[in-house]
Amino acid sequence: QQPVQSPQAVILREGEDAVINCSSSKALYSVHWYRQKHGEAPVFLMILLKGGEQKGHDKISASFNEKKQQSSLYLTASQLSYSGTYFCGTEADDKIIFGKGTRLHILP
Amino acid sequence: SAVISQKPSRDICQRGTSLTIQCQVDSQVTMMFWYRQQPGQSLTLIATANQGSEATYESGFVIDKFPISRPNLTFSTLTVSNMSPEDSSIYLCSVVSQGAGYEQYFGPGTRLTVT
Repeated sequence: QQPVQSPQAVILREGEDAVINCSSSKALYSVHWYRQKHGEAPVFLMILLKGGEQKGHDKISASFNEKKQQSSLYLTASQLSYSGTYFCGTEADDKIIFGKGTRLHILP
Repeated sequence: SAVISQKPSRDICQRGTSLTIQCQVDSQVTMMFWYRQQPGQSLTLIATANQGSEATYESGFVIDKFPISRPNLTFSTLTVSNMSPEDSSIYLCSVVSQGAGYEQYFGPGTRLTVT
């Protein structure tokens, strides 16, 4: 079942923060986050495993609440290079099902 | 990580014809996936292709329309058969890293336009 992402789109000024949410109606083993720039393939950002851990990658971090079946991606002090579409993916039966994506546009 | 190449990068095909897309990986991988992505849309899984076994297709996708080969651990092909304009899309192959954790990497995609 496809995870639900919110918001659908975000417009920020450089330096502002953003949060992208991902939720599922099914119990989750892990959540994956990807960023895709226009005309390019999706790029793996991070994976969060069951256990409620939080991960960080430069100024991008994420949390995973397995009880609520939710994950959130945090972008701090956003840079122009953060622009793109962010997808969360939920893993089940050795495959990933992706959400519809959140379009992030950073203005200078 | 894995480096993935796809051929062709793009093609324009006539209705009723077939196109075979090739996916080459720079290392041996067990699991390969084929996705379809309409412009501005999410990634939809077509099938999982494991070497030595038949591909497993997702709901809405059938082998007659999207036959897949997986002859070895570094290569796979996806054929889009009897094409119609509705098949116009970007097709991406993807592999799971053999390293720590389940990290999935994507090829650059094949942009298919059916006229």
